Amino acid sequence: SQTIHQWPATLVQPVGSPLSLECTVEGTSNPNLYWYRQAAGRGLQLLFYSVGIGQISSEVPQNLSASRPQDRQFILSSKKLLLSDSGFYLCAGTLAGGMGSPLHFGNGTRLTVT
Amino acid sequence: GIQVEQSPPDLILQEGANSTLRCNFSDSVNNLQWFHQNPWGQLINLFYIPSGTKQNGRLSATTVATERYSLLYISSSQTTDSGVYFCAVSRNFGNEKLTFGTGTRLTIIP
Repeated sequence: SQTIHQWPATLVQPVGSPLSLECTVEGTSNPNLYWYRQAAGRGLQLLFYSVGIGQISSEVPQNLSASRPQDRQFILSSKKLLLSDSGFYLCAGTLAGGMGSPLHFGNGTRLTVT
Repeated sequence: GIQVEQSPPDLILQEGANSTLRCNFSDSVNNLQWFHQNPWGQLINLFYIPSGTKQNGRLSATTVATERYSLLYISSSQTTDSGVYFCAVSRNFGNEKLTFGTGTRLTIIP
């Protein structure tokens, strides 16, 4: 079964600093990968998804970007963080193709921008 | 897009009680999943259930796609069942357009 690894678990960054969150996947090849954000409260918002190396789809305009340099690696980045970027960031993945496949999450990164 | 409503928003139960959580959605779906987010933030996939009934231990889920709702049953609740339960749906078979509900916060009191 696939395992989603995500780090760091918590991060405190000043406004204007860069960001790099990494997600790696074990146990499957060519997974579909996703970055979600969960703001204070309950809702999960899809930020980016990727169906393969170098293929990124963005769901909402924002201060963040994503990259997929390797099959099992998905990176969330920002050049300059804003206060509004604070939140809980979750990487998720599905088996190759993603059709009819359950979504599995990493443990998340709690980001506080000060 | 699809609207997803979960009820109740909050539920407080004594340990050992049974509970039913509901997810209503506004359009036909080919993808429906239930998740549990524990107090530490971990999100666990409970069921992939666009239709029919599934059971896993004390948990079971039923989706009636024609009537646009799904139910999650938790029997003999334990304190470890506490957390937020999310329903997520999509018209697509894939996960790219999943819409999450706002969740049901379940608190199990010892």
